[in-house]
Amino acid sequence: AQSVTQPDIHITVSEGASLELRCNYSYGATPYLFWYVQSPGQGLQLLLKYFSGDTLVQGIKGFEAEFKRSQSSFNLRKPSVHWSDAAEYFCAVGGGGSNYKLTFGKGTLLTVNP
Amino acid sequence: GAGVSQSPSNKVTEKGKDVELRCDPISGHTALYWYRQSLGQGLEFLIYFQGNSAPDKSGLPSDRFSAERTGGSVSTLTIQRTQQEDSAVYLCASSLFGGQGGYQPQHFGDGTRLSIL
Repeated sequence: AQSVTQPDIHITVSEGASLELRCNYSYGATPYLFWYVQSPGQGLQLLLKYFSGDTLVQGIKGFEAEFKRSQSSFNLRKPSVHWSDAAEYFCAVGGGGSNYKLTFGKGTLLTVNP
Repeated sequence: GAGVSQSPSNKVTEKGKDVELRCDPISGHTALYWYRQSLGQGLEFLIYFQGNSAPDKSGLPSDRFSAERTGGSVSTLTIQRTQQEDSAVYLCASSLFGGQGGYQPQHFGDGTRLSIL
């Protein structure tokens, strides 16, 4: 069965600092990996996705993520955090073919200090 | 363009009542998903519709939960005889179908926050 672990429940960073959110997955084949962001009272917005090819993927809002098969990781990064980035971030894994369901991690809540 | 629309945005009801939650997917998206987001369980898959195929109901937690999709577009999630543990945010997502590996990114609505008193 597929699973996702986000080890950090809550992270606090200062505005302008760099950010890395961790994600580890378990999946028996080539995974499809996603990062979503959720602001309070909102649905999930897709930040970026990895299907194949270049292991460093760029997303919206200046985010990027790197797929590392050997470490079963898909960490999200941003070089300089803005106050508007405060939100909850979810890593998700899905399969190809008929395995369309997304399995989500528990989420990492990001607080940004001024 | 219009995104996934869910209604109502909030629903408060008494234990034992039935509730219906509605989802309007993005136009042209043939795949539709329901997820439940609760404090204890995080985000859980409930049910998936794709075109005219039989839905995948494997995530529905009990037979009190059902969903239908009429005309390949609007979907309704129904919870009968609601219990307090049904309190959660119910999220709907839609996507195109096919493409690379048969996988397309899912686009989410803002959810319905359901509170059972």
